[in-house]
Amino acid sequence: AAGVIQSPRHLIKEKRETATLKCYPIPRHDTVYWYQQGPGQDPQFLISFYEKMQSDKGSIPDRFSAQQFSDYHSELNMSSLELGDSALYFCASSLGGRNTIYFGEGSWLTVV
Amino acid sequence: AQSVTQLDSHVSVSEGTPVLLRCNYSSSYSPSLFWYVQHPNKGLQLLLKYTSAATLVKGINGFEAEFKKSETSFHLTKPSAHMSDAAEYFCVVRFGGATNKLIFGTGTLLAVQP
Repeated sequence: AAGVIQSPRHLIKEKRETATLKCYPIPRHDTVYWYQQGPGQDPQFLISFYEKMQSDKGSIPDRFSAQQFSDYHSELNMSSLELGDSALYFCASSLGGRNTIYFGEGSWLTVV
Repeated sequence: AQSVTQLDSHVSVSEGTPVLLRCNYSSSYSPSLFWYVQHPNKGLQLLLKYTSAATLVKGINGFEAEFKKSETSFHLTKPSAHMSDAAEYFCVVRFGGATNKLIFGTGTLLAVQP
């Protein structure tokens, strides 16, 4: 069965650069979530979208922005990268906001 | 306040012995509860979920969990641990109301000794 696809899987950027992570939800899923997991940390909720509209917002820095497109894929844009942004970024999707949430494999971002 | 607590950060068992990973939540709403497993350098895999149907939920790889409303608990168990079960386990709660985001527990690292 198709799963949540994230790209790139690994990304290395320098401080103050910009990075974009992409997420392709499971087909027919209309809700996308972004989580950040720092080294040795539990995943922290960043932001979610339902039907292309932001539905919930967590601890997402102002330097980050995200959107969900007409085909339901989502992109997380991160600017002015800092060393502390180095983390595993998970995207997840669900059908509506009350059904099971499935996670992608994650995108490793390393800021040097 | 809505929260989820995993009572043990590390659990070590011997192969073939039972596993118990504890999770408690606090919420004024009826929650949906999940257990996810994360193997080293891997993504989060859904083990099982409770969404107000049967209180005893069976998941993959022989795991199960029981929702006990009176104790606000959702402990994860397995009768016999396998070496491949060594991983980090997250108890995750989605509370009712206006929000649909997941709240993660801090995780329990399960070590399985031969």
